[in-house]
Amino acid sequence: DVKVTQSSRYLVKRTGEKVFLECVQDMDHENMFWYRQDPGLGLRLIYFSYDVKMKEKGDIPEGYSVSREKKERFSLILESASTNQTSMYLCASRANSPLHFGNGTRLTVT
Amino acid sequence: GEDVEQSLFLSVREGDSSVINCTYTDSSSTYLYWYKQEPGAGLQLLTYIFSNMDMKQDQRLTVLLNKKDKHLSLRIADTQTGDSAIYFCAVLDNYGQNFVFGPGTRLSVLP
Repeated sequence: DVKVTQSSRYLVKRTGEKVFLECVQDMDHENMFWYRQDPGLGLRLIYFSYDVKMKEKGDIPEGYSVSREKKERFSLILESASTNQTSMYLCASRANSPLHFGNGTRLTVT
Repeated sequence: GEDVEQSLFLSVREGDSSVINCTYTDSSSTYLYWYKQEPGAGLQLLTYIFSNMDMKQDQRLTVLLNKKDKHLSLRIADTQTGDSAIYFCAVLDNYGQNFVFGPGTRLSVLP
């Protein structure tokens, strides 16, 4: 069974802090994704990666960056956290298959 | 681009059938998916249907696909309190690379 692990379930950060959200998958999937989920808006794609050191912008990349130094790990970085980045963040991975999701990180920026 | 629509809320009584509907704008998706999200958790793949099928049944779940109307539905028979969750419809975008999700339907099951 595919396992996608997000390092934190809950995070509370202050405005202006640099925030790292980590995601690891154990199925050697090439493709990894970061989404944010907000009520009534569904899932919106922030960034995705098709291979190590490759990254592509999704629909809402502003205020975020990513890092993919190893195939199994995909990190989301908030360079300077703002209150409008308070949200649920979901990591996912896939090969030629459906998306497999982690359990999410609920981030609160105060 | 691709757009996926769902109603946001549905309430049913325990034991009744639930029907969750989804419409999409592009028919190029090879597969169409239903995901379930329980409180505080990520999304879990519930079922999917190949685009050349009209119906797929999997225990209490029935997926219907009407390609002409670009309409997908998920029927849950004998709905239980454990089925209370948010259900997302998802299709692949025009390039077959990224998923496009509906806003999710929150299913509440009343005793």
